[in-house]
Amino acid sequence: QQQVKQSPQSLIVQKGGISIINCAYENTAFDYFPWYQQFPGKGPALLIAIRPDVSEKKEGRFTISFNKSAKQFSLHIMDSQPGDSATYFCAALTQGGSEKLVFGKGTKLTVNP
Amino acid sequence: NAGVMQNPRHLVRRRGQEARLRCSPMKGHSHVYWYRQLPEEGLKFMVYLQKENIIDESGMPKERFSAEFPKEGPSILRIQQVVRGDSAAYFCASSPSEGLVSADTQYFGPGTRLTVL
Repeated sequence: QQQVKQSPQSLIVQKGGISIINCAYENTAFDYFPWYQQFPGKGPALLIAIRPDVSEKKEGRFTISFNKSAKQFSLHIMDSQPGDSATYFCAALTQGGSEKLVFGKGTKLTVNP
Repeated sequence: NAGVMQNPRHLVRRRGQEARLRCSPMKGHSHVYWYRQLPEEGLKFMVYLQKENIIDESGMPKERFSAEFPKEGPSILRIQQVVRGDSAAYFCASSPSEGLVSADTQYFGPGTRLTVL
């Protein structure tokens, strides 16, 4: 019930291409879905987040698409750049609960120049 | 505005020793969370604390692990009698106590990488 499944495990994209990372959840009590970006040796940094009352949120080159009925959400990185090479984690949280984030296992993105 | 601070950044302990990890939340934040990350894995929740209170420790092993967030000073994650399986990166996150949006947003520190020999 607490699991968040993330795919793919790794992704290689050419510069300028679109990177797509998918996540699925089972617990319908989740109501906040952030994405984190982590570089080697660093802590995760919040990238973008969405709540289930909207189906899409865009910030610059980063877009979250959310499908409540399918219990899936995805991160799209447009015009991918070598500097985007990092590990990306999706997560989910229940508001008003213990506030603990449940993370996917991560996607290692490599953007080739 | 300084971010979440953690120290030490790297910690080496021998089996059976104690490890103490410190976390200073962002200014104005009174909620602290500890997560553990094993190599090639996502982060796993351990414990959620507010000042002087443990709110949720469901992710923390019952033995050898403890956490506190005193009225003054940093939050401490303490691991007694460490074993090799405790080797991991330990991340602290903080969030504000109030706020329509920010209460859900957790900001992470750089982590402490614990190696048990």
